[in-house]
Amino acid sequence: AQRVTQPEKLLSVFKGAPVELKCNYSYSGSPELFWYVQYSRQRLQLLLRHISRESIKGFTADLNKGETSFHLKKPFAQEEDSAMYYCALSGNTPLVFGKGTRLSVIA
Amino acid sequence: ETGVTQSPTHLIKTRGQQVTLRCSSQSGHNTVSWYQQALGQGPQFIFQYYREEENGRGNFPPRFSGLQFPNYSSELNVNALELDDSALYLCASSLASGRSYNEQFFGPGTRLTVL
Repeated sequence: AQRVTQPEKLLSVFKGAPVELKCNYSYSGSPELFWYVQYSRQRLQLLLRHISRESIKGFTADLNKGETSFHLKKPFAQEEDSAMYYCALSGNTPLVFGKGTRLSVIA
Repeated sequence: ETGVTQSPTHLIKTRGQQVTLRCSSQSGHNTVSWYQQALGQGPQFIFQYYREEENGRGNFPPRFSGLQFPNYSSELNVNALELDDSALYLCASSLASGRSYNEQFFGPGTRLTVL
């Protein structure tokens, strides 16, 4: 079975502080992992995917197969990063989402 | 290039009724996926259509059905509505070949309320 766990419902950080949004997954095969983001009053959009190995808006995520994790990190949080973040896995089905973490960056 | 559009924006139905939700794919995309997002939850995969054929289905009962048309637009039909069907329904389109899953582009969603 495919499963994605995001343990934190809400994460509040101060502007300029480091951010880490946790994501753990369960899948027996080789998964594709994604982070999707939803800013206020906007639609869900792709932030980054592990196979691209990109840094988008200062965010990075490394797939750790040993720990089955795909945590999202940013060294210095900005107010515009406040949003809902979803970790998602693509294995046997297009996307299995976690429940999401709301990131609130405090000025 | 136009993005994914969905209609209607909001809908209120009563238990036992039937509903049809519509989605227009992003230009050039041949695959449509539907998701249900209950309050406080992440989107949950309902099914996907590729070239007018169902190409994968999540854990939803048969009263959830769909169609994809030659222009790649799509419909989600739900029969015998239940209170728990109240949710945001998201449509996502992508350019895919067979079972390879590429980046999905989401629509704004249709908010369904079942009374």
